[in-house]
Formats: sequence, C-alpha cells, structure tokens
Amino acid sequence: DAGVIQSPRHEVTEMGQEVTLRCKPISGHDYLFWYRQTMMRGLELLIYFNNNVPIDDSGMPEDRFSAKMPNASFSTLKIQPSEPRDSAVYFCASSLGGIQGGGYTFGSGTRLTVV
Amino acid sequence: AQSVTQPDIHITVSEGASLELRCNYSYGATPYLFWYVQSPGQGLQLLLKYFSGDTLVQGIKGFEAEFKRSQSSFNLRKPSVHWSDAAEYFCAVGAPGGSYIPTFGRGTSLIVHP
Repeated sequence: DAGVIQSPRHEVTEMGQEVTLRCKPISGHDYLFWYRQTMMRGLELLIYFNNNVPIDDSGMPEDRFSAKMPNASFSTLKIQPSEPRDSAVYFCASSLGGIQGGGYTFGSGTRLTVV
Repeated sequence: AQSVTQPDIHITVSEGASLELRCNYSYGATPYLFWYVQSPGQGLQLLLKYFSGDTLVQGIKGFEAEFKRSQSSFNLRKPSVHWSDAAEYFCAVGAPGGSYIPTFGRGTSLIVHP
C-alpha cells in the first residue's frame, strides 16, 4: 500500500486566497483525521470522519475552514479565505477501527504558507 | 478527559548511549498509549502501542516502552541510540471505548551527537 497520500506537499498562497488540501487514505480504513501542527500549539485535531461522515469538527478553528469526504478514498480540507495565521503543516491520517485499531497512519503533510 | 505531558522539550544524547523519553498521562483508568516518531519533513510514524497485558512493549527500530500504572507513565527507551534516531517523538493517550480521539503530547526533540 502506498500509505496516506497528501497533496500538495507545499503550498504558498496570498492572504485572501482559497486553499484546498487533499488526502487519499489507506484503502479499507474507515476513519480519517485532519490535524494541524504548529510550533505554538503542537498537533491539533481539526476534524475526523467515520465511514465518510464527519463525526467531530469541534477543532475546526473558524468557519473559514471546511472539510469534506465525498467517498472512502478522498478527502479535502479547504480554507477560504486564507490568513497568515493559517500557516502550518496540515496532516491527514487514517485508521481502521479508530483508536481501537491500534494507531493511525499519517501522511507526509502539506506545509502551507500564507503570505 | 485524558491529557498527556512530555516534560522534556529537547534531549541530547551521544550516539551509542542509552535513551529514555518521558511521558506522563492523566486518565481515570488504563488508557491506550502510543509513541510516534516524526522525522524532519515527514508525517508521524507509529513506534509502539500499549492496550493491555504485558507492561513492557516492544516496538520498531529497537524501541521499547514500559507502562507504569502507579506513576501514570509510559516512558520510551532504547539501549543504544543511532544517529538516524534524531527526530521528534510524540506520546499519545486515548480513552478505551471513548471518542476514538487520542491526545498528543507536545513532543520531545531528540538530538544525537556523534
């Protein structure tokens, strides 16, 4: 298996622009998680899905953030409009059976820079 | 709700020396415990996990961790560190039967001197 695939690896955008981050989870995994990592706040859970359904989005910082999972093999995290404080590394992770399944598999992340 | 503390932000060791990274958790019962490693520019990789049973857990890359209920700890150890072990290490704790959301510590950065 190719693992969790995220694209793009790096994204530089101007403040106010829309940004879309993409994730392909491991085939057969039923949970998908979006995390944000910054020096100040560490690793934060933004939202997670179970069987393509959003379960908890309480970590999404503002209405500017939205996430979708139209099918079991694809998810997007969108920021519109983007702001400099959104600069971070965004990780997607997937698992089989959630935490009961024994841990997550993380993608390599998307480093977002908003200027 | 569970919480996890990694008291050391940075740890520096010499190559070949032993290593112990500390992790303390707060939870009312025995949680699920994990250690992850993050190499520069990479995602987190699972090193080992503890759910129940033997309190000494073996993981990949020669790492082990010991669950000590009395100390609410789950420290990561390695008898001899290699330069390639330099990375960020994260402890995570999750509640069995709970919301499936593990809480991650802030991480410990391991620096290895030749």
